Amino acid sequence: AQKVTQAQTEISVVEKEDVTLDCVYETRDTTYYLFWYKQPPSGELVFLIRRNSFDEQNEISGRYSWNFQKSTSSFNFTITASQVVDSAVYFCALSDPGRRALTFGSGTRLQVQP
Amino acid sequence: NAGVTQTPKFQVLKTGQSMTLQCAQDMNHEYMSWYRQDPGMGLRLIHYSVGAGITDQGEVPNGYNVSRSTTEDFPLRLLSAAPSQTSVYFCASRLGQIKAGELFFGEGSRLTVL
Repeated sequence: AQKVTQAQTEISVVEKEDVTLDCVYETRDTTYYLFWYKQPPSGELVFLIRRNSFDEQNEISGRYSWNFQKSTSSFNFTITASQVVDSAVYFCALSDPGRRALTFGSGTRLQVQP
Repeated sequence: NAGVTQTPKFQVLKTGQSMTLQCAQDMNHEYMSWYRQDPGMGLRLIHYSVGAGITDQGEVPNGYNVSRSTTEDFPLRLLSAAPSQTSVYFCASRLGQIKAGELFFGEGSRLTVL
């Protein structure tokens, strides 16, 4: 069975601090995809990144960066110099192409204080 | 480009009533799915469809029916609403298999069952 664990239920930081959101996953499959989604207070789900299991390169997009480590089954997300607009719930998700579904973690609520 | 459109956005039902949550996408996506979001549990898959005429169950299908008569539409039916079905429901679509891209989500439908 697949599982995604986001152990941090809620994180509060002050603006301009760096923050890392943890994601640990379990799967028996050798081919899979990992995702991060952002859910701002307005409620919609916004896609941030997709990474396949064969690509372990870290990725940076502006203030966002992702660290994929297959050896520890982790796909952590770091926001550098956080801003109030980063306040949201962030979900990590795991996909098995065979099941054609996403398994979501329980989410981490990030509160960035001004 | 409307993307994924869900209606209604809010609904209050009494126990035992039935209703249909509508979902339509205008991106010619083959894959469509319904998730429910409950506090502390992330998003859980209810049903999904890989094309017109093809549907399958997800993690929490009991109490819900779906059909896919067209590529564009994927309605979710609650046959006899129960308080346990109080949740936020998200419809999502994707072009094809996981490797083809990410899931696009609708804005959500908040359902309360009294």
